[in-house]
Amino acid sequence: KQEVTQIPAALSVPEGENLVLNCSFTDSAIYNLQWFRQDPGKGLTSLLLIQSSQREQTSGRLNASLDKSSGRSTLYIAASQPGDSATYLCAAVSSGSARQLTFGSGTQLTVLP
Amino acid sequence: DADVTQTPRNRITKTGKRIMLECSQTKGHDRMYWYRQDPGLGLRLIYYSFDVKDINKGEISDGYSVSRQAQAKFSLSLESAIPNQTALYFCATSDWRTANTGELFFGEGSRLTVL
Repeated sequence: KQEVTQIPAALSVPEGENLVLNCSFTDSAIYNLQWFRQDPGKGLTSLLLIQSSQREQTSGRLNASLDKSSGRSTLYIAASQPGDSATYLCAAVSSGSARQLTFGSGTQLTVLP
Repeated sequence: DADVTQTPRNRITKTGKRIMLECSQTKGHDRMYWYRQDPGLGLRLIYYSFDVKDINKGEISDGYSVSRQAQAKFSLSLESAIPNQTALYFCATSDWRTANTGELFFGEGSRLTVL
């Protein structure tokens, strides 16, 4: 059974700082890995999707990397802004036909002005 | 208007009551899902449906039932609510053309409190 862990559970940084969020998974047989953002009282918004054959994906100030062999993914946020404050979740997508997502418990990020 | 709409957004009820959470979508997607989110536990899959005649149990289906009334509507029922079903519930959809990526589109959630 896939297990996904995110460390730290919470992170507080000053505005402008570069930061890294970590995600680890126990079963390396994944189809892809996704990063989501969740704002308070809102649903999840997809940020980045990395296929199992890829090493990284970039979108604006966000860069996600994937190392299947070590069971790790990182989300790098450059030049953080207060608007980046949210909970960030990663989800590993199974390689089975159902393409099930297994979510981590998230990292709550606060960027201080 | 949101593409994936959940009702009610907030509900407080008592132990033993029957509760229904509804989800409707305008995205034209064939696949719909119900997830539960608890603090510190991430999202866990309750039920999913790949079309109107297809219902599948997820990781934590005990105590829940679902109905796929139409392609655009998927409801979650708690026949006799209990306090440990207090959680934030999310509906999500996906399209068969993007299903291979596991890409999901989420509603804004329904917060349920069982006293």
